[in-house]
Parts: sequence; structure tokens; C-alpha cells
Amino acid sequence: NAGVTQTPKFQVLKTGQSMTLQCAQDMNHEYMSWYRQDPGMGLRLIHYSVGAGITDQGEVPNGYNVSRSTTEDFPLRLLSAAPSQTSVYFCASSEGVYYGYTFGSGTRLTVV
Amino acid sequence: DQQVKQNSPSLSVQEGRISILNCDYTNSMFDYFLWYKKYPAEGPTFLISISSIKDKNEDGRFTVFLNKSAKHLSLHIVPSQPGDSAVYFCAASTSIQGAQKLVFGQGTRLTINP
Repeated sequence: NAGVTQTPKFQVLKTGQSMTLQCAQDMNHEYMSWYRQDPGMGLRLIHYSVGAGITDQGEVPNGYNVSRSTTEDFPLRLLSAAPSQTSVYFCASSEGVYYGYTFGSGTRLTVV
Repeated sequence: DQQVKQNSPSLSVQEGRISILNCDYTNSMFDYFLWYKKYPAEGPTFLISISSIKDKNEDGRFTVFLNKSAKHLSLHIVPSQPGDSAVYFCAASTSIQGAQKLVFGQGTRLTINP
């Protein structure tokens, strides 16, 4: 049982490049979310999904796109990378808030 | 506008003693509160949650207390162990039309000294 798998673990991008951070879960969870963690700011919600085909914006959605074509996958797309998007990105899934969210191990992204 | 605040960036506790981590929130619409533990280079791990209709939830060495009138929650770890050294995040959830959105505090780094 792999839980939540994020790839890649590390990535360096040049300003203006685009890329997709992958996230997959094998627990059949309906709820999935993307967060970014920056020093002194905790984790901030980028986008979330309550099921296949349903997504919505979180606190800091600008510069990111998501889609949810299957229950298992929830990729995060950076449209045109900026240095302000240098961060650690976490994907999470849940069967319900009482049970908490299961987080992936993160993707450390550096934009130069 | 920081809706969930952890005002102590760090806390140091002797092994075997009680660790108390605090969290304040401003939004009275939050319906669940959660605590997460995070080690370096790993994702956060869920520890314990509490519904807004309760004032206490206990799970082994971990107890979460909720004071709704003060908009304050705390996590007690008794007894503290070296493996508890980590960053602890509190989080609060709002459920709107089936969507659950978590808002996190900034985190408190807990160090357990032998």
C-alpha cells in the first residue's frame, strides 16, 4: 500500500518554464489537495478536489492549474514558473476530515 | 489574515515531562481541528483531531483540548519522548458543500531533551 506518491522529489526550473507535479493515491480517497510550504508560513492550500471532475481554488491558486480525471491522480501544473514559486509542494488525500489527510513526501521545487 | 496561529516557533521540553503546544484561531466556522507532526524531508503525519462540538479528545500519549469561547486549542504529549522531536502544525477545517479545506498554522518546533 503506497499511500500518496509524489514525483519528482526535486526539480529545478528556469523562470518561464512549465511543468507538472504528479500525485497519485491508491486508497480510493475522494478528497485530494495541493499545499505549498514556505518558511514561517505553514502549509497553504493551492487547489483541492472533492472527486473526479471536481476541483476548486484554495488560498494561493495563482500560477497553478489542476485537473482530476480519475480518483487516483491529481496533477498540479505550473504554467510559467516564477522564483516566487520556489517552495516545497505537498499533495494530500483523505476519506474525511475526521481521519485527517495523508500527505505525500513532497516535491522540492527551485525556480531560478 | 492568519486564521490559525501558532505563536511559539519553538519549544524545548525534558524527556518524560509534558509538552504543551498551543494554537489560536479566528474563524468560528471551523468545524474540525487537527494536529500534524512533521519530520525533515517528510510529509506531515496526522496525529489527532477534534470536532468543534467536543472539548477533549485523547489518543494514547496525545490529548487535544478545545476551548471554543477562547478560540484556542492545545496538544498535550505525556510523557514526552525523544522521537516526539519534530515540527507540529495545527490545522482547522471548514466544510462547505462537501468540500473540506484545511488552514494550517505556522508550526512549532518541539525539541525533547534527554
